[in-house]
Amino acid sequence: EAQVTQNPRYLITVTGKKLTVTCSQNMNHEYMSWYRQDPGLGLRQIYYSMNVEVTDKGDVPEGYKVSRKEKRNFPLILESPSPNQTSLYFCASRLDSLLSNQPQHFGDGTRLSIL
Amino acid sequence: AQSVTQLGSHVSVSEGALVLLRCNYSSSVPPYLFWYVQYPNQGLQLLLKYTSAATLVKGINGFEAEFKKSETSFHLTKPSAHMSDAAEYFCAVSGGSGGSQGNLIFGKGTKLSVKP
Repeated sequence: EAQVTQNPRYLITVTGKKLTVTCSQNMNHEYMSWYRQDPGLGLRQIYYSMNVEVTDKGDVPEGYKVSRKEKRNFPLILESPSPNQTSLYFCASRLDSLLSNQPQHFGDGTRLSIL
Repeated sequence: AQSVTQLGSHVSVSEGALVLLRCNYSSSVPPYLFWYVQYPNQGLQLLLKYTSAATLVKGINGFEAEFKKSETSFHLTKPSAHMSDAAEYFCAVSGGSGGSQGNLIFGKGTKLSVKP
């Protein structure tokens, strides 16, 4: 089944403790992206990747890192999490990096709580 | 640069009534427009998309949207609401090819409630 898989789905942790949220897609998609969703703000893009080893900042990249060493994986790294990063996070992918008329496929989300 | 405005953070309708969710966009390039739906505790699911073919776009679950360039709008409608339509709906725009113009820009979402 074609899907975007995120792990973990839920995480409660403390300020400053490094964490990684994994994202994997099995559709051989070139483009991948991370969003955070906050009440009343919709989804905002954190980082995106056009292909392996090609990543770029989205609208809210501060406090986050990403890597794209393989086509299928796009982990989101919080080196020193802070409470303002408590949010619902979504990973998404799209088949072609250049064809923005294609829809993105979303994972089921990761709810992070930073205490 | 692109942006999306969704009018009304909450919309409530009665079962069987018309659903109208409003979306206005701005884009410096010909836009591609999408509506996504998010059910509680789930990810986003594509409802429909406009990609410069027909201006009236039909999607899943009986929803449709009309692209009106003169009004820069892409409102979502459904003739008769069902209880299962209760969810949050997001309008999104992208445009151009490659680079940041190809990224999706989302509206803030509209929560639809359906009363029995």
